[in-house]
Amino acid sequence: AQSVTQLGSHVSVSEGALVLLRCNYSSSVPPYLFWYVQYPNQGLQLLLKYTTGATLVKGINGFEAEFKKSETSFHLTKPSAHMSDAAEYFCAVSDPPYDKVIFGPGTSLSVIP
Amino acid sequence: KAGVTQTPRYLIKTRGQQVTLSCSPISGHRSVSWYQQTPGQGLQFLFEYFSETQRNKGNFPGRFSGRQFSNSRSEMNVSTLELGDSALYLCASSSPLGNEQFFGPGTRLTVL
Repeated sequence: AQSVTQLGSHVSVSEGALVLLRCNYSSSVPPYLFWYVQYPNQGLQLLLKYTTGATLVKGINGFEAEFKKSETSFHLTKPSAHMSDAAEYFCAVSDPPYDKVIFGPGTSLSVIP
Repeated sequence: KAGVTQTPRYLIKTRGQQVTLSCSPISGHRSVSWYQQTPGQGLQFLFEYFSETQRNKGNFPGRFSGRQFSNSRSEMNVSTLELGDSALYLCASSSPLGNEQFFGPGTRLTVL
């Protein structure tokens, strides 16, 4: 069965510092992997996704993630945190074809000025 | 292109009542998925419809049901509401290639 774990329910970084949000998954087949962001009282917005091909995926707002099959990981990074990055981040996995998505518990990111 | 729309945005019901939520997907999208989001359980998959047929279902009791119309609009219904059904209900539509989901703003249901 698919599952997603996110290390750290809450992460705090200083403005301008590196953002690293961790995600590990389990899947019986090569998965599709996603990172979503949710701002307060809003729906989810897709940051980036991995389906096939290049394992380093670049997304919106300067975020990127690398699919590491050997580590079953898909960690999200951003070189320099901005105040506007404060939000809830969800890692998710699905088995192709894409229809049912399993979400991780989420990581709340705080950015300290 | 208009995004995914959900109505109503907020809803207050009492225990035992039933509720119907509506979702209009992005034009051209035929797959609609529903999720429940709560502080305790996080985001959980409810069901997915494609071309008016339920294609996948999560682990929710039969009180939760849905349907999809020929124009791809979808509704979900919860009968005999319980306090624990209070949640944000999110709808997402999938692109024709099926590799990206677009989420609506959600309907926040409060059960008193």
